[in-house]
Amino acid sequence: DSGVTQTPKHLITATGQRVTLRCSPRSGDLSVYWYQQSLDQGLQFLIQYYNGEERAKGNILERFSAQQFPDLHSELNLSSLELGDSALYFCASSVDGKNTEAFFGQGTRLTVV
Amino acid sequence: AQSVTQLGSHVSVSEGALVLLRCNYSSSVPPYLFWYVQYPNQGLQLLLKYTSAATLVKGINGFEAEFKKSETSFHLTKPSAHMSDAAEYFCAVSENTGFQKLVFGTGTRLLVSP
Repeated sequence: DSGVTQTPKHLITATGQRVTLRCSPRSGDLSVYWYQQSLDQGLQFLIQYYNGEERAKGNILERFSAQQFPDLHSELNLSSLELGDSALYFCASSVDGKNTEAFFGQGTRLTVV
Repeated sequence: AQSVTQLGSHVSVSEGALVLLRCNYSSSVPPYLFWYVQYPNQGLQLLLKYTSAATLVKGINGFEAEFKKSETSFHLTKPSAHMSDAAEYFCAVSENTGFQKLVFGTGTRLLVSP
C-alpha cells in the first residue's frame, strides 16, 4: 500500500458525460501528479500540483481540468467524455514535488461506453 | 523532447535465469532515469533511479541498472528471476528536475516460468 488513495476504483459512464476522480496523497506529501495509462498512448503525464498551485503541465486535454484543495487532496475532472478517454488514471504524490520519490495510487479505471 | 524506448513488449525467462530488460533513452540534457514495476491491478512502484551519481544503480528486490552514456542505455537486470518478479516494467526519463513530468516507455511484460 503506497498510502495514496484514489476513488472510485472503477467508473463506467456514457459518452458526453462528466466525471470527477479523487486523490488523497500520502500524509505529509505536498505534491500531486496525475497520469493517464491507455492502450493507445501508454503512460502519459497529465498535470502536477504543488501545495495548491499548478506546477507542471503535460498532455492534458482542454476537456480535462484538475485542482488541489487546501487539505491537499486533488480532483481530476473529465468532461464531454469520448470513448478514447477510457483509461486507467493514476495519481501519485511526493513530498517536495521534485526530487523525492513519487508514490502511485492504484488508479481509477474509467470506461466510457 | 525526451523519450525512452523499451525493446521487447514481452520477455520470458525461467525461474533462476538472468533477467535483462532493455531501455534506451533520448535526451538533450543529462537525464534522470527510472525503472518502475507494475503488478496486476496495482499502481507503479519505483525499483530504482539514476540521478547522475553512480552509473551502476541498485534497487529493490535484487534489481540493478547500469547507465551507459555512450550507448544511451539504462538496462535493468536481475541475476536470478523469481516467480514473484512477473509483472510489467516501465523505464522512464525526466528532465534534470527529478520526478517531475516523467516520460514513460511502452513497458515490458516479464513472464517467469517454473
